[in-house]
Amino acid sequence: TQLLEQSPQFLSIQEGENLTVYCNSSSVFSSLQWYRQEPGEGPVLLVTVVTGGEVKKLKRLTFQFGDARKDSSLHITAAQPGDTGLYLCAASGGSNYKLTFGKGTLLTVNP
Amino acid sequence: DTEVTQTPKHLVMGMTNKKSLKCEQHMGHRAMYWYKQKAKKPPELMFVYSYEKLSINESVPSRFSPECPNSSLLNLHLHALQPEDSALYLCASSQVGSGANVLTFGAGSRLTVL
Repeated sequence: TQLLEQSPQFLSIQEGENLTVYCNSSSVFSSLQWYRQEPGEGPVLLVTVVTGGEVKKLKRLTFQFGDARKDSSLHITAAQPGDTGLYLCAASGGSNYKLTFGKGTLLTVNP
Repeated sequence: DTEVTQTPKHLVMGMTNKKSLKCEQHMGHRAMYWYKQKAKKPPELMFVYSYEKLSINESVPSRFSPECPNSSLLNLHLHALQPEDSALYLCASSQVGSGANVLTFGAGSRLTVL
């Protein structure tokens, strides 16, 4: 079983602060996705990274995929209350249809 | 249309009831999924259908019975559930093949078993 270690599990910060969420594994993945889930909703895909060393930006969010395709990070600049939610990394590397999810990072951004 | 629609949004049922959760997508995705999610935890895979055939059953108890009537619809029939089955049930869909691991999720059905 491929495991994804996601950290931190909980993060409570003030509006305007920066933060980074990490997703690490000892396994190599063919692709990795980041999802955000708001209360009462399903997860929504933020980004997919497939190439080692890849960096993708989505407004104030910056995603990196490690050179060896074993780890990824999500950096949020100047966090806003609307960024509050559960952030999930998920990766595929083995069989189709089976995503391995990290345990999630519950982010609260206080006004 | 890039949505996965789930009904009902909330369901309360007793342990002897029979109910169903429904999911619909019109994105042309040929893989559909049921996930179970407890509060503040990641989704756990239950079932996968590929081309309307059951492809994966993650050793789910038989009190959960999935059905895929056609390429756009996915049902989850519930019977004799336990209180510990209370959770958010998420439907998702994806392409097959190389796109199989990028999921579009519905908003979920929040199930409470009394």
